[in-house]
Amino acid sequence: AQSVTQLGSHVSVSEGALVLLRCNYSSSVPPYLFWYVQYPNQGLQLLLKYTSAATLVKGINGFEAEFKKSETSFHLTKPSAHMSDAAEYFCAVSENQGAQKLVFGQGTRLTINP
Amino acid sequence: DARVTQTPRHKVTEMGQEVTMRCQPILGHNTVFWYRQTMMQGLELLAYFRNRAPLDDSGMPKDRFSAEMPDATLATLKIQPSEPRDSAVYFCASGLGGGSYEQYFGPGTRLTVT
Repeated sequence: AQSVTQLGSHVSVSEGALVLLRCNYSSSVPPYLFWYVQYPNQGLQLLLKYTSAATLVKGINGFEAEFKKSETSFHLTKPSAHMSDAAEYFCAVSENQGAQKLVFGQGTRLTINP
Repeated sequence: DARVTQTPRHKVTEMGQEVTMRCQPILGHNTVFWYRQTMMQGLELLAYFRNRAPLDDSGMPKDRFSAEMPDATLATLKIQPSEPRDSAVYFCASGLGGGSYEQYFGPGTRLTVT
């Protein structure tokens, strides 16, 4: 069965610093991978997705993620953090059993220090 | 700008009362998902539908929860009777189906059962 592990439930960076949120997945078939962001009191919003095309995927708000099959990773990065990036981030992998479900990680709360 | 809508946004009720949450998926989407989010358990999939048919509701407590899609524009999640442990944020998400795993989330219903 597919699964996702997000390393670090809380990450804190300074404004202007590099953001790196880690996600490792387990899948028996080539996966589709997603990053979602959740701002306070809102639903989840799709940041970016990997669907077996380019391994470096660019998303909204300056975020990008790189699919590394050898490392079974899909880490999310942003070169320079902004205060508005403070939110919870979820990595998800497709559950490829014909059901089109997503398996979500536990989330990483990103805090930006001024 | 197509969005998933959910009503009510907030609901406070007493233990034992019936609660009904409604979701309007994005027009043209044929998959609908219900999730529950709590601090302790994170994001849990309760049930999902494809073309209005329930495909999996194994995440729901069967004795008190029920999910339906009376038509393509409305999904409902009912709890009867409600209990304090049901307090959570309930999200609805919809997707295009047909091999697309992207899910689009509504703003959620914050339920408090006293």
